[in-house]
Amino acid sequence: QVQLQQGGAGLLKPSETLSLTCGVYGVSFSGNYWSWIRQPPGGGLEWIGEINQSGRTTYNPSLQSRVTISIDTTRNQFSLKLSSVTAADAAVYYCARGGYGQPFYFDYWGQGSLVTVSS
Amino acid sequence: DMQMTQSPSSLSASVGDRVTITCRTSLSVTKYLNWYQQKPGKAPKLLIYEASNLQSGVPSRFSGSGSGTDFTLTISSLRPEDFATYYCQQSYSSPVAFGPGTKVDIK
Repeated sequence: QVQLQQGGAGLLKPSETLSLTCGVYGVSFSGNYWSWIRQPPGGGLEWIGEINQSGRTTYNPSLQSRVTISIDTTRNQFSLKLSSVTAADAAVYYCARGGYGQPFYFDYWGQGSLVTVSS
Repeated sequence: DMQMTQSPSSLSASVGDRVTITCRTSLSVTKYLNWYQQKPGKAPKLLIYEASNLQSGVPSRFSGSGSGTDFTLTISSLRPEDFATYYCQQSYSSPVAFGPGTKVDIK
């Protein structure tokens, strides 16, 4: 059974760095892309970026200057860091398999992590 | 960047109704258009991938069609569990993008 299990801090102050992890169980990293997607309260879905097993990344230009996605194949997990957060970064953050690379759709999702930004 | 629109933005329907949602992209995405269902407090669920392929485990009342810039998601006979928000999403070009969503609620 495939599971994506998210972890990380939910309450941040402005200017801090958001850090989330996604543990992958039941499916190999090999041959797949792994993405982060976010959804502000009451809003739509925004793709943040992706990584593959080799560490190749593609980021959304709207966030590229502040985003780092990394992968640790030994621990079967990938991670998101978003620096200098503001209130506009408050959202539910999801990890998912797929994106702009195999597969070309998001078929497995994490449970979501609510991130709040407040001073 | 790719622009994506969905119509309608919301609709009210009854159980048993046939529902059609349209997604349009500003440039051709060939077949790389996917559909998701999202219920409150839950992650989106993949329904249709690459325009017309039914994801495993998804009921056959859901279907997708289209290519290029115009796509359709159809629910042939609406069930109570289908009241949700539906999103289209393209993976043909980077950045990956989602449509703004269509909320389907009970008439």
